[in-house]
Amino acid sequence: GQNIDQPTEMTATEGAIVQINCTYQTSGFNGLFWYQQHAGEAPTFLSYNVLDGLEEKGRFSSFLSRSKGYSYLLLKELQMKDSASYLCAAISGAGSYQLTFGKGTKLSVIP
Amino acid sequence: DTAVSQTPKYLVTQMGNDKSIKCEQNLGHDTMYWYKQDSKKFLKIMFSYNNKELIINETVPNRFSPKSPDKAHLNLHINSLELGDSAVYFCASSQGAGEAGNEQFFGPGTRLTVL
Repeated sequence: GQNIDQPTEMTATEGAIVQINCTYQTSGFNGLFWYQQHAGEAPTFLSYNVLDGLEEKGRFSSFLSRSKGYSYLLLKELQMKDSASYLCAAISGAGSYQLTFGKGTKLSVIP
Repeated sequence: DTAVSQTPKYLVTQMGNDKSIKCEQNLGHDTMYWYKQDSKKFLKIMFSYNNKELIINETVPNRFSPKSPDKAHLNLHINSLELGDSAVYFCASSQGAGEAGNEQFFGPGTRLTVL
């Protein structure tokens, strides 16, 4: 079976840094994605990690530790438009097309 | 140009009816998906097709039947609609398998309300 956990909600201040954690338990783990979903819109891709370490992309960074079954998404210099749900999703199995999503973390950025 | 499009965007219907949702992608991708996102915003895979062949069929009622006439289209037909089918249905596509880091591109979603 597969299990992905992330906090349900978080609040942070404009200009600050926020870290959204995700833990996973999957058989045959083969990579982890982060997606952003604004209310009423489709999810959009943010990042993909398959090796341990930090991937940086502008204000957003994503970290993976395979041995710990742990990932986080780091958002710097928060802007009001970053208010959205952030979905952690794991790929498992060779040649796998199947993403298993967590329930998402709703981030509210306040002035 | 829209990469992944779905029609209709909103669908309101009575219990017991049969309805279809259409999806088209112009990205030249090999793989297409249907997801269901419930009221708690939990996004769950329903089906996946690769080059018109079914490769993932999660535990969904057989009232749901996907059809892929070609690799750019994946339609979802739902028979005998029930109240619990109310949700947002997202179509997505990707180039190849997820393990290669191939991101999925999502359509705008179809909000289905069953009365």
